[in-house]
Amino acid sequence: GENVEQHPSTLSVQEGDSAVIKCTYSDSASNYFPWYKQELGKGPQLIIDIRSNVGEKKDQRIAVTLNKTAKHFSLHITETQPEDSAVYFCAARLPDYKLSFGAGTTVTVRA
Amino acid sequence: DSGVTQTPKHLITATGQRVTLRCSPRSGDLSVYWYQQSLDQGLQFLIHYYNGEERAKGNILERFSAQQFPDLHSELNLSSLELGDSALYFCASSVDGGLGYEQYFGPGTRLTVT
Repeated sequence: GENVEQHPSTLSVQEGDSAVIKCTYSDSASNYFPWYKQELGKGPQLIIDIRSNVGEKKDQRIAVTLNKTAKHFSLHITETQPEDSAVYFCAARLPDYKLSFGAGTTVTVRA
Repeated sequence: DSGVTQTPKHLITATGQRVTLRCSPRSGDLSVYWYQQSLDQGLQFLIHYYNGEERAKGNILERFSAQQFPDLHSELNLSSLELGDSALYFCASSVDGGLGYEQYFGPGTRLTVT
């Protein structure tokens, strides 16, 4: 199966600074990499995703990069705001549609 | 709001009991996935149904079972409950066709076994 490692487990940033979360995956057959944001008491919310045929994708203040050779992908949040505080999960999906999740990163944005 | 609904929101029950969790996917989505989220195990894939048929199994215990009905809603049945089954249970849905493979999660059911 797929094994996804995520770092760091906690991240504290000053409002306005950037935040970067990194994930690595083990199975080269993985072809889809979503990122989820989970706020307290809520379900994971899909915020951005990238497919294996793309190297980078951006949506306003959020961007994701993928390095297939190194089997790692990263989430970049620029100009962080207090509402960005949450737990972020990366995931990798094999062709059988199963999603394997990283352990999560708790992001705290300090005002 | 993802469009995925789950009931109940909270469930408190005793060891040895059986419970049923319900999930309604987003309109048009044919797939339902079940996940368990606990503090020590993180988000774990349990099972996947597509258009009424089981498609894949993950780390699902034999005491747990699921099904997807003709109207595409799904139920997760947990029996002979143990303290360690206390967790958040999420379902997610997706189209699983063409380019629509994104999974959208419901708000979850918090199960507490006492």
